[in-house]
Amino acid sequence: AQKVTQAQTEISVVEKEDVTLDCVYETRDTTYYLFWYKQPPSGELVFLIRRNSFDEQNEISGRYSWNFQKSTSSFNFTITASQVVDSAVYFCALTSPEAAGNKLTFGGGTRVLVKP
Amino acid sequence: DTEVTQTPKHLVMGMTNKKSLKCEQHMGHRAMYWYKQKAKKPPELMFVYSYEKLSINESVPSRFSPECPNSSLLNLHLHALQPEDSALYLCASSRTSGGRTPPTQFFGPGTRLTVL
Repeated sequence: AQKVTQAQTEISVVEKEDVTLDCVYETRDTTYYLFWYKQPPSGELVFLIRRNSFDEQNEISGRYSWNFQKSTSSFNFTITASQVVDSAVYFCALTSPEAAGNKLTFGGGTRVLVKP
Repeated sequence: DTEVTQTPKHLVMGMTNKKSLKCEQHMGHRAMYWYKQKAKKPPELMFVYSYEKLSINESVPSRFSPECPNSSLLNLHLHALQPEDSALYLCASSRTSGGRTPPTQFFGPGTRLTVL
């Protein structure tokens, strides 16, 4: 069975502070894929990044960066110099070729509140 | 263009009503999904359609009836719902489903359903 844990339920920061969201996953599959989605108050899940288990390179996209560490089964997400528009719920998710229909297993989500 | 559209945005219905949710994508994707999301919870998969055929039903009650008239459209017919069915219903699509390289799912804005 696959499992994703986002231990932080809510994080509150002041604008321009950095914020790191933790994601720890469990899977027996050797090939798997990890995702981060953003869900603003409007409700839509916005795709942010996808990473497969063979690619441990960290990635930076603007103010967003991701740190994938297979040794600790973690795929953490950092927002640098946070802005009010970053306020949202962020979900980490996992799937694999063995998951029926490539079903996504979501973590519980982390609500980020960025105050002006 | 990574857009999935859903109508209506909001829906209020009584327990004896029949209504339908609609989802549309024009990305040429051949897999479409219905998710249910309760407040402060991650999305839960309900149904998966692959090449217009129902491939996964996550033991959803029969008062929810999915339909995929063509590769671009996905409907969810609702009948005799209960107040606990009130939730955000999200549609998603992806290139395919169930393959060796799980594709990314792209989500629509959702329909907020209230059952009175």
